[in-house]
Amino acid sequence: SQQGEEDPQALSIQEGENATMNCSYKTSINNLQWYRQNSGRGLVHLILIRSNEREKHSGRLRVTLDTSKKSSSLLITASRAADTASYFCATSNTGGFKTIFGAGTRLFVKA
Amino acid sequence: GAVVSQHPSWVICKSGTSVKIECRSLDFQATTMFWYRQFPKQSLMLMATSNEGSKATYEQGVEKDKFLINHASLTLSTLTVTSAHPEDSSFYICSAKARTEAFFGQGTRLTVV
Repeated sequence: SQQGEEDPQALSIQEGENATMNCSYKTSINNLQWYRQNSGRGLVHLILIRSNEREKHSGRLRVTLDTSKKSSSLLITASRAADTASYFCATSNTGGFKTIFGAGTRLFVKA
Repeated sequence: GAVVSQHPSWVICKSGTSVKIECRSLDFQATTMFWYRQFPKQSLMLMATSNEGSKATYEQGVEKDKFLINHASLTLSTLTVTSAHPEDSSFYICSAKARTEAFFGQGTRLTVV
């Protein structure tokens, strides 16, 4: 079963704006990962943040993790039309075993 | 990063037939692989955990007799959808763990007609 909830479910912004997506989870985790999925395609791994980390950057991506609130956020700065996709958070439990996905946020960046 | 190859990338089959999907870890050994199913505009739902040399562990609500999983080697897991029906049409994705990170195949789009 899924354990993550994401909001918003859908987000539409103009090119150049920032996009923020949030993810909440229910149980203790070992790490949290963010993935991108273009329509009908496979997953692209974006970034992994470990449970003892609070913030991580990769290019235009910034991920935060608040284990006390069991939540994470993904910020995409200076968005581009090519960023249009669905974004999922996924958590691995403290055993580092299963990876469970959130419901996802569908991002649409208008050129 | 590690590479997971999934085959086929898409398949169309007739209702009542069986379809086998392969998931291979190309440059690492994976004692555990995972199978997910994704319906249109929905998230990935974990179906089962595939363990090399032993029986798969299925998530609640997933029929083990319908979705047969075999993990015969450290680099290969297969998912067979038996007696497929149109409602089984979906996107199936496998993943394999390398240390703490999960690597995903590109997925298989199954259409049952």
